[in-house]
Amino acid sequence: TQLLEQSPQFLSIQEGENLTVYCNSSSVFSSLQWYRQEPGEGPVLLVTVVTGGEVKKLKRLTFQFGDARKDSSLHITAAQTGDTGLYLCAGAGGQGGKLIFGQGTELSVKP
Amino acid sequence: GAGVSQSPSNKVTEKGKDVELRCDPISGHTALYWYRQSLGQGLEFLIYFQGNSAPDKSGLPSDRFSAERTGGSVSTLTIQRTQQEDSAVYLCASSFSGRILWSSDTQYFGPGTRLTVL
Repeated sequence: TQLLEQSPQFLSIQEGENLTVYCNSSSVFSSLQWYRQEPGEGPVLLVTVVTGGEVKKLKRLTFQFGDARKDSSLHITAAQTGDTGLYLCAGAGGQGGKLIFGQGTELSVKP
Repeated sequence: GAGVSQSPSNKVTEKGKDVELRCDPISGHTALYWYRQSLGQGLEFLIYFQGNSAPDKSGLPSDRFSAERTGGSVSTLTIQRTQQEDSAVYLCASSFSGRILWSSDTQYFGPGTRLTVL
């Protein structure tokens, strides 16, 4: 069974601080995605990483896929209150489009 | 509408009753997925439809859960004899092809149905 362990589960920081969220597995994933979810809404895709060692940047967000394609990280620089939300990593779970999700990281950025 | 829609948005039912949850995917999307999300947790895969292929039911937690997709579009998730542990948000997503290896094939999620079993 493929599992994704996400850490930390909760993170409360002040505006302007940096943070990193980790997503780890003992399994290899063909691709890994990061989503952001706000209350009462479905997750929204932020990025997909496919190649081992790949780094993608989305404004203040930097995503990295591990060389062995078993882990990933999301780094936010100079967090803003608008970054508050639930961040989810998800790996492609074999055949078809089934996604295996981590437990999520609840981020709260305080002014 | 342009996005995935789900109905009802909220459903409160009594233990033992059957419920039906509906999902309208984005027009033209061949793949449709159902996930379940417990409070503050990640999503748990339930079932996946791709075109005319047999659905991947590997995530359904028990035989009380079933889903169908009519005409390659609308999908209904049915839970029979609901239990309190079925309480969760049920999310539907659709994508153009279902081929997750294509980084351009994004899953678009609906807002979910919050199910509460009393």
